Amino acid sequence: VVMTQSPLSLPVTLGQPASISCRSSQSLVSSDGNTYLNWFHQRPGQSPRRLIYKVSNRDSGVPDRFSGSGSGTDFTLRISRVEAEDVGVYYCMQHTHWPHTFGQGTRVEIK
Amino acid sequence: EVQLVDSGGGLVQPGGSLRLSCEVSGFTFSTNWMSWVRQAPGKGLECVASIVPDGSDTYYVDSVKGRFTISRDNAKNSLYLQMNSLRAEDTAVYYCATGEGGYWGQGTLVTVSS
Repeated sequence: VVMTQSPLSLPVTLGQPASISCRSSQSLVSSDGNTYLNWFHQRPGQSPRRLIYKVSNRDSGVPDRFSGSGSGTDFTLRISRVEAEDVGVYYCMQHTHWPHTFGQGTRVEIK
Repeated sequence: EVQLVDSGGGLVQPGGSLRLSCEVSGFTFSTNWMSWVRQAPGKGLECVASIVPDGSDTYYVDSVKGRFTISRDNAKNSLYLQMNSLRAEDTAVYYCATGEGGYWGQGTLVTVSS
C-alpha cells in the first residue's frame, strides 16, 4: 500500500492552523472493521513519537490542538494553533496491510 | 516506565552480517507484535520486518526478503534482527518498535561501507 502525503513541506505561522493530507492506494478498513492509520511526529535526532492512532484517537499526553480525521483512503492531521515545539517531520503510517507502510513525511517549519 | 533499548549496530563491509537486539521492559512484550523500522540518512521511515506476538508469523519488505530474519524471545523480552548479505543501501538507523508504533527504541546505526 502506497501512502502519499501532501504537502511535503509546510511553512506555518505561530498560532495559525496547519493541515497535512495522507492518501492510501487501497482502503485501510480492516476485516475487523477498524482503520489502522496512525500519525507520528519526529524531531531531528529523536525517535518518532505517535500522536494519533486508528485515525482519530490521540495518544496520552498529546495536546488537544492535534486532531485526526478521515476514512477509507483519505486522511488528515490538523493542528489547530501551531506552537514552536510542533516543528519537525510528520508521518502517516498504515498497519492494516502487510507490509506496513509510511508516507514520505511532511516537514513543518515556522515562517 | 516503558523502555526499548536497541543495540548491535556498527560498521560492516558489503556482504557482511550483523545482529541487532532490542531489550524491552515496562509493558507485556509477549502480547505485542513488534517491528524493525529503519531510516536512511536524511530519509523517511520504512518498516522492514514485523513479527506476531508468539513468533509464528513474520513479514518483510521486499528489499530485505531472504537476507534479514526477525525473531523474538518472549522469555527474555527481546527482539532480534539478523541481517545478512548487507548492502550499502541498508545503511540506516534501525529502530525497534511495537507494531502499531506506540513505543520506540532509541535506534542503532548500521553503516555498510568498505
